[in-house]
Amino acid sequence: GQQLNQSPQSMFIQEGEDVSMNCTSSSIFNTWLWYKQDPGEGPVLLIALYKAGELTSNGRLTAQFGITRKDSFLNISASIPSDVGIYFCAGSKTSYDKVIFGPGTSLSVIP
Amino acid sequence: ETGVTQTPRHLVMGMTNKKSLKCEQHLGHNAMYWYKQSAKKPLELMFVYNFKEQTENNSVPSRFSPECPNSSHLFLHLHTLQPEDSALYLCASSQASRTSGRTDTQYFGPGTRLTVL
Repeated sequence: GQQLNQSPQSMFIQEGEDVSMNCTSSSIFNTWLWYKQDPGEGPVLLIALYKAGELTSNGRLTAQFGITRKDSFLNISASIPSDVGIYFCAGSKTSYDKVIFGPGTSLSVIP
Repeated sequence: ETGVTQTPRHLVMGMTNKKSLKCEQHLGHNAMYWYKQSAKKPLELMFVYNFKEQTENNSVPSRFSPECPNSSHLFLHLHTLQPEDSALYLCASSQASRTSGRTDTQYFGPGTRLTVL
């Protein structure tokens, strides 16, 4: 079946550093979603992308819909301790298709 | 506050017990989902309900039985579970659209942490 790959699998950064992570697919998607999950909680939607090339920001977070439609990127600027968690990408082809989730990128921020 | 609530937050049960997980969404959505999240694995879609009708059963064992009495409530009935069923069970909801072409952006509840002894 369809799979999404996320890289890196995990990362440890110093507080204040910028973070970049990406998500790739072997299939073309028409929607990309980025979620963050804190320990013991459900995923929370951060950014939704609906158009190839689209660049959308949510505070210190910026996500881009890759122009090939097979990838997406999430950047976090000036990281803070509360950014710790697992970041999931998700994608789908149409509103009728299942949303496919990636395995997640685990982020640790060292104060 | 995500608008999707789940109870209980934690559940420990024996393999012979029968229990139910409850999900309620306060967002006016028309689609609801059950996911299973195990350690080191991607989210696994279990069931999908659109307008109270089950539209997806992702090869889930019959010891898991969903129920959707209305568009705001979703249950997952559990019986004779196995230890490998221990996981975080997440409920989500979305507003399905057949005209906008946009993906059903799903909003998740906090999950129920299930441990099967």
